[in-house]
Amino acid sequence: GQQLNQSPQSMFIQEGEDVSMNCTSSSIFNTWLWYKQDPGEGPVLLIALYKAGELTSNGRLTAQFGITRKDSFLNISASIPSDVGIYFCAGHRSYGGSQGNLIFGKGTKLSVKP
Amino acid sequence: DAGVIQSPRHEVTEMGQEVTLRCKPISGHNSLFWYRQTMMRGLELLIYFNNNVPIDDSGMPEDRFSAKMPNASFSTLKIQPSEPRDSAVYFCASSLGRDQPQHFGDGTRLSIL
Repeated sequence: GQQLNQSPQSMFIQEGEDVSMNCTSSSIFNTWLWYKQDPGEGPVLLIALYKAGELTSNGRLTAQFGITRKDSFLNISASIPSDVGIYFCAGHRSYGGSQGNLIFGKGTKLSVKP
Repeated sequence: DAGVIQSPRHEVTEMGQEVTLRCKPISGHNSLFWYRQTMMRGLELLIYFNNNVPIDDSGMPEDRFSAKMPNASFSTLKIQPSEPRDSAVYFCASSLGRDQPQHFGDGTRLSIL
C-alpha cells in the first residue's frame, strides 16, 4: 500500500537534546497525525493537525502541517529517556480511491545514545 | 474512559487452525478499523466499518480473512485456515468518523507455527 516517506528511520538521542523528524508525500493530505508506539503496545495519538500551516504543541512536542499540505514535522524539545520509542506520522489523503483511509509512514525509531 | 480493548493479547497456534481476534471499540465511536503490523510492511489497513457496516475491505489479503461487527461494541477478525505468513501484530482502532483521529488498542500478537 501507499506509504508516507518518513525520516530519519532511526536516531539516537542524548538526554536534553532536541529531536526533529518529518514526513513527506507526493499527495495532498487533509489531516496529519503523529503517533508514538512503545514495545508491546498500540500507537498512541500525540498530535492531530487539520489545517495547512497549523502549528500545534503538546508539552515538549510541536508539530506542523506543511503549507503545501504534502508534509509535516514533529519536534521534541529537551528529550528525556521515556521519549524512546517509534514515532509514526499518518495522514488522510484528500482524494483517490483510498480517500479517507489513514496512511502511515514507516516510523522513526528513537533510541538512547550508548 | 476505557480505550479500545483487544483480546487475546497473544495467540500461538498451529497452521491450519482457526484464529479469532476480538475488539471492543471506544463507546460512541462509529468507525472501526482492523490493521496488521509487520516489520516488512509496517501498518496496513485490513478493513474499515462505519456504523457496524463494512465499508472498505480492499486490504483484506485473502478469503481466509473475514471480519464482522454484529453491534456497535464488538468486532471480530477471523483467519481460517491460518498460515505461518499470517504471523503479525493485529490492531483494532476506532474513531468518531473515518477522517477523525483513530485510537488504537494494544494489539494481538499472533504467531502461527
